[in-house]
Amino acid sequence: EAQVTQNPRYLITVTGKKLTVTCSQNMNHEYMSWYRQDPGLGLRQIYYSMNVEVTDKGDVPEGYKVSRKEKRNFPLILESPSPNQTSLYFCASSLSRNNEQFFGPGTRLTVL
Amino acid sequence: SQQGEEDPQALSIQEGENATMNCSYKTSINNLQWYRQNSGRGLVHLILIRSNEREKHSGRLRVTLDTSKKSSSLLITASRAADTASYFCAPGGGGNQFYFGTGTSLTVIP
Repeated sequence: EAQVTQNPRYLITVTGKKLTVTCSQNMNHEYMSWYRQDPGLGLRQIYYSMNVEVTDKGDVPEGYKVSRKEKRNFPLILESPSPNQTSLYFCASSLSRNNEQFFGPGTRLTVL
Repeated sequence: SQQGEEDPQALSIQEGENATMNCSYKTSINNLQWYRQNSGRGLVHLILIRSNEREKHSGRLRVTLDTSKKSSSLLITASRAADTASYFCAPGGGGNQFYFGTGTSLTVIP
C-alpha cells in the first residue's frame, strides 16, 4: 500500500530534550516536506527536500533540522525543543513540487 | 508568497445542499491544488487544476480557475455529512515551496 508513515504519532517531552520524528514513504517520491499546523495559522512548511541530499528551508525553519540521506526517509530533528514548538506535525511526499502530495497521519508534539 | 486565502473561514449547510468555497492568491501560478482535512488527520488531495484550464470535475467536486482574477472556487454538490472537513487550496507557481492557507471549515448538518 502506498503510504507515508510517521513516528511517533504522539509525543510529550520536556524543554531541551533532543528528539527525532521519522518520516518514510514507499512511493519513490522525490519531493518531501515537513509542515506544522497550529490553530488559526494553517499549515506552514518547515523544510522541504527536492531529492536526496537536497534540502531547503520553508517558512518556519528555526529550531528544526532535517536530513535526506535516502530517498524514502526524511526525519525531522528538534535539537533543543521549546514550548513554542508544541504543534501538530505532518510529513508529506510527492513526485515533484507540482504533483499531488501524500500526507502522513501526523505527529502531535507537546513540549513542556 | 504564493499563499492562497480561503473564503469563507467557516461554512455550515444542510445535507443535500451545495457548498462553495473560494481561494484567492497573489502571484502567477502554474497550477492550483485543493485538499481536504478531516479533523486532526493528514490532508488528502482532491483535485489539481492547471493554469490553462478553466474548469475541472471529479465526482461531486467542481473546481474553477480564473487566472485573470487570481481566484479559484471549489463546489461540492449534494453535500453529505461525510464532507464535513476543512478545505485548503495550494497555489503552485515557479518556486519550490508549498503554501497552504488557513482553510475553510465546512460543516454539513444531517
